[in-house]
Amino acid sequence: GAVVSQHPSWVICKSGTSVKIECRSLDFQATTMFWYRQFPKQSLMLMATSNEGSKATYEQGVEKDKFLINHASLTLSTLTVTSAHPEDSSFYICSARVWDREGPRETQYFGPGTRLLVL
Amino acid sequence: GQNIDQPTEMTATEGAIVQINCTYQTSGFNGLFWYQQHAGEAPTFLSYNVLDGLEEKGRFSSFLSRSKGYSYLLLKELQMKDSASYLCAVRVLPGTDKLIFGTGTRLQVFP
Repeated sequence: GAVVSQHPSWVICKSGTSVKIECRSLDFQATTMFWYRQFPKQSLMLMATSNEGSKATYEQGVEKDKFLINHASLTLSTLTVTSAHPEDSSFYICSARVWDREGPRETQYFGPGTRLLVL
Repeated sequence: GQNIDQPTEMTATEGAIVQINCTYQTSGFNGLFWYQQHAGEAPTFLSYNVLDGLEEKGRFSSFLSRSKGYSYLLLKELQMKDSASYLCAVRVLPGTDKLIFGTGTRLQVFP
């Protein structure tokens, strides 16, 4: 099956610093990846759609200058939280779109998530 | 706006059957997904419905009625490891994988 990895799995940083999170598709190429944020006991909120070789598409209310997304290759997308503040503390999850011949024509496989704590 | 509703919490006993409902009102519809998410982990894919009816996959089944904007996930022969959150997600537009997630249902299975 499709495997998506994220790094780091958790990070603690001081307020005002920037944090970069990597999302990699390990055994397939992903032209499209998605970034979600999940607060405790809440569901996933889509932040942006990351497209290889082009600009990301951000959801309404998500600041593109604060959450920088770079999809530099077919296997790597990065999310940088710039000038992080305590309210940015959350669980960040990426997913990659996969063409699945056995199941739905297209589906998403999720990375293991990155837990960010901003002090 | 997009609305996807699920019960917040459910409890059940090991070996029993539980049905988790999901109702949706979205600007478009091109498939409904169910994911399982254990605490602190990423969601894992369970099932997909795009046509009306029941899809069965081992102990899990998922049902869809597009006219009613309604789906359910049926879990049979519950096991302790089934304690998790179950997320209903709708793919809103054809040709894209953008998913809108429901609030999730936290299921607790007791011995």
